[in-house]
Order: sequence, then C-alpha cells, then structure tokens
Amino acid sequence: EVQLVQSGAEVKKPGESLKISCKGSGYSFTSYWIGWVRQMPGKGLEWMGMIYPGDTDTRYSPSFQGQVTISADKSISTAYLQWSSLKASDTAMYYCARGTGTRESGYYFDSWGQGTLVTVSS
Amino acid sequence: SYELTQPPSVSVSPGQTASITCSGDKLGDKYACWYQQKSGQSPVLVVHQDSKRPSGIPERFSGSNSGNTATLTISGTQAMDEADYYCQAWDSSTVVFGGGTKLTVL
Repeated sequence: EVQLVQSGAEVKKPGESLKISCKGSGYSFTSYWIGWVRQMPGKGLEWMGMIYPGDTDTRYSPSFQGQVTISADKSISTAYLQWSSLKASDTAMYYCARGTGTRESGYYFDSWGQGTLVTVSS
Repeated sequence: SYELTQPPSVSVSPGQTASITCSGDKLGDKYACWYQQKSGQSPVLVVHQDSKRPSGIPERFSGSNSGNTATLTISGTQAMDEADYYCQAWDSSTVVFGGGTKLTVL
C-alpha cells in the first residue's frame, strides 16, 4: 500500500525557519515525483513545486520560486519543504502527494499525505 | 499563466446526475484530472487522464475533456459525494489547479 506520512503540526513565529517532511513507503520512492500543495484556510489547492527523488530534478511554481526550498533524501525515502523566514501569510495546510505521468502528457497526484498544518503567529 | 475556471458551487438532488465543469484555453489538448476533497480530509484522485478511474473509485464517477472544457460527471449522486472538487492540468511544465467547486447534495 502506497503511504505518504507527513510530519506533525507546527506553530512558529514570523521570521523563524521551518522544515517539514513527507515519508513515502509501499512503492519505489525514487521512481515517482513528490509534489507539495498549499491550502490556505478556506481556500483552494495551490501547487508549490515537486521533486523527482531519483535524480533530484526539482520544479517550482513561479508563485513559490525563491520562497521555499524542496529537497529529498532518497536514503530514507523522505521529501522536505522548507522556509528560511516564515511569514504570517504562510499559515496553511501543506500536503505532499505522489506525482505520476510524463513530461509530455502531464503529471497528476495519485496518493496524498495527511497534511501538515503550519501556523505562523507572533 | 494558464488558468482553469470552475463554478464555485453546484447543487444536485440525491440520485440525480451532477456535472462539474473546468474551462481552460485548449484544455482538450491536454490531460485533465479531478480530485475530491471532503471536509477536513486530504484530496483524493477520482479521475485522471481525462476519463480514467483509479482503482477503488466508484463507477458513478466519469470524466470527459474536449475543446476548452473538461467535465466531471457523477451519476446517481449520493450524500457521501458532497465535497469540494478540483480539476488539474499540466501546462508549460507547471501543475495548474482549478479554483474548486463545492458540490452540495440536497
């Protein structure tokens, strides 16, 4: 069974750094993309970016480029999303999801993590 | 940047057919997929590559994509289908989500 297990909820202050994780199991971690999706309170899904753990190829949404860093450690089947300086507007639920497809036909997410709630407040 | 437009809300009576649309420029030339998100839960893929259902998704969920519009159809809608639905496509090496549609079963 494919599983993506995310790290627990975080409460941070503005300006602090944060790294959240997503551990994959039940499949070949290096053969699928891992995407990150933001959902602000009461709002829709926003794609942030994704990484291919097999070769660390990483793509970012223009909206999030330079705002976050996506990485992966294939030795422990874990992907990460990190911020160097959080803002109150980063308060949201963050989901990781397994991406499948091809560059030609496009990618979609066939399995999702349970989400990590990040709250940034002074 | 590419945009996908969905109606904010759709209502349907139990047992009837619900149709949720997703519009984008030449969307029919791309693959579209659909996610269901129930309140307080993670999204679940219900249709991919326009019309394919992942294992475990009921047959009442179907999809189509032509011209500028992709459509998710739920036949014989049940109360358990009440959720937010999001379309998604891939354009210029970017994942694009629609704004979401709240399906109310009443």
